[in-house]
Amino acid sequence: AQSVSQHNHHVILSEAASLELGCNYSYGGTVNLFWYVQYPGQHLQLLLKYFSGDPLVKGIKGFEAEFIKSKFSFNLRKPSVQWSDTAEYFCAVELGYGQNFVFGPGTRLSVLP
Amino acid sequence: EAQVTQNPRYLITVTGKKLTVTCSQNMNHEYMSWYRQDPGLGLRQIYYSMNVEVTDKGDVPEGYKVSRKEKRNFPLILESPSPNQTSLYFCASLGWNTEAFFGQGTRLTVV
Repeated sequence: AQSVSQHNHHVILSEAASLELGCNYSYGGTVNLFWYVQYPGQHLQLLLKYFSGDPLVKGIKGFEAEFIKSKFSFNLRKPSVQWSDTAEYFCAVELGYGQNFVFGPGTRLSVLP
Repeated sequence: EAQVTQNPRYLITVTGKKLTVTCSQNMNHEYMSWYRQDPGLGLRQIYYSMNVEVTDKGDVPEGYKVSRKEKRNFPLILESPSPNQTSLYFCASLGWNTEAFFGQGTRLTVV
């Protein structure tokens, strides 16, 4: 079955530390890839997306992600986190045209001031 | 403006009383989906629909029904709600090569 996994359930960092959140998917066909963020008490917000082209994509708030097709991965990065980045982060995969849209289990990020 | 509209935003109901949460999108998307979000469990898919009259079970379909009689609407039906269905529910719609658009969420409490 197709699935999306995220490496960490909960990540705790100090401000200014670098962030990398892992995401892997199991599907052999063409995919579209997304990272969403959910701040406490709010609904999901798109951080960035990859459809095709340059595998390094830049999103909002200084986030970026790299698609590595051979590893079925789409890891999220930020060079220097801020306290305001405290949130839950979800990787999501659209499994081909007309196929399902699946979320990873989420990673909770806590940034300590 | 592209949007997904969910109603109601908040609902408190009693066990066994049928309820429907509506979801409507104005983007002519073929794909729509329902998720529930619970602490520590992330977003779990309940049902999804690839097109009108086409629906499929997600990871946690038990206790829920859906219908897709027209492209814009995808209601979630709880025929006999139980307390374990207390959760935050999100509806989403998606077109190929577009981002997913989410409703604002429905916080359901079943007592």
